[in-house]
Amino acid sequence: DAKTTQPNSMESNEEEPVHLPCNHSTISGTDYIHWYRQLPSQGPEYVIHGLTSNVNNRMASLAIAEDRKSSTLILHRATLRDAAVYYCILRDLYNFNKFYFGSGTKLNVKP
Amino acid sequence: NAGVTQTPKFRVLKTGQSMTLLCAQDMNHEYMYWYRQDPGMGLRLIHYSVGEGTTAKGEVPDGYNVSRLKKQNFLLGLESAAPSQTSVYFCATTEQGNRMNTEAFFGQGTRLTVV
Repeated sequence: DAKTTQPNSMESNEEEPVHLPCNHSTISGTDYIHWYRQLPSQGPEYVIHGLTSNVNNRMASLAIAEDRKSSTLILHRATLRDAAVYYCILRDLYNFNKFYFGSGTKLNVKP
Repeated sequence: NAGVTQTPKFRVLKTGQSMTLLCAQDMNHEYMYWYRQDPGMGLRLIHYSVGEGTTAKGEVPDGYNVSRLKKQNFLLGLESAAPSQTSVYFCATTEQGNRMNTEAFFGQGTRLTVV
């Protein structure tokens, strides 16, 4: 299974943009890139996903490199509520029933 | 609409005891998963199910058994609990994978301590 690599932790100031990187150099052509986040003492929640093109939704934007070996989750204006662990996950279109979480990036947002 | 509900939320077991964790979903999803999360680590897949009556092993299945007798319920069993099974357990569901919406929905977790 294709794996992802993320920094252990990052820090941001409130109301500033945050760019969370993810490397996935062994990604296959049928892997979707998913991002989830886990707030303290809660289960993970879906953030965004994409295949090749950049994606936007109400929570965040996902920028995918042209070779798909890396991606970046962008929070446009960090709030204190965005402090969480962010996971970058690859899900195979044809083995969609399995997806593996790495250790993620812990985002700290300073007021 | 409760989504994904895990029972119980907390439990303390003695080594060698058995217990069953229940995951119930009301979204009519086909796929269900059990994960464990140890302190400071990501989630690891224990077992999963692609439909009623079917189960399969994930990354770390040893010491656990599962059953999916009804579509809405996925049970995780520990036959003889060990301290190494102290963890937070999460259940998740997804729709069938041939849909573009492949968002997973997670329960709030069960914190299990084995002493």
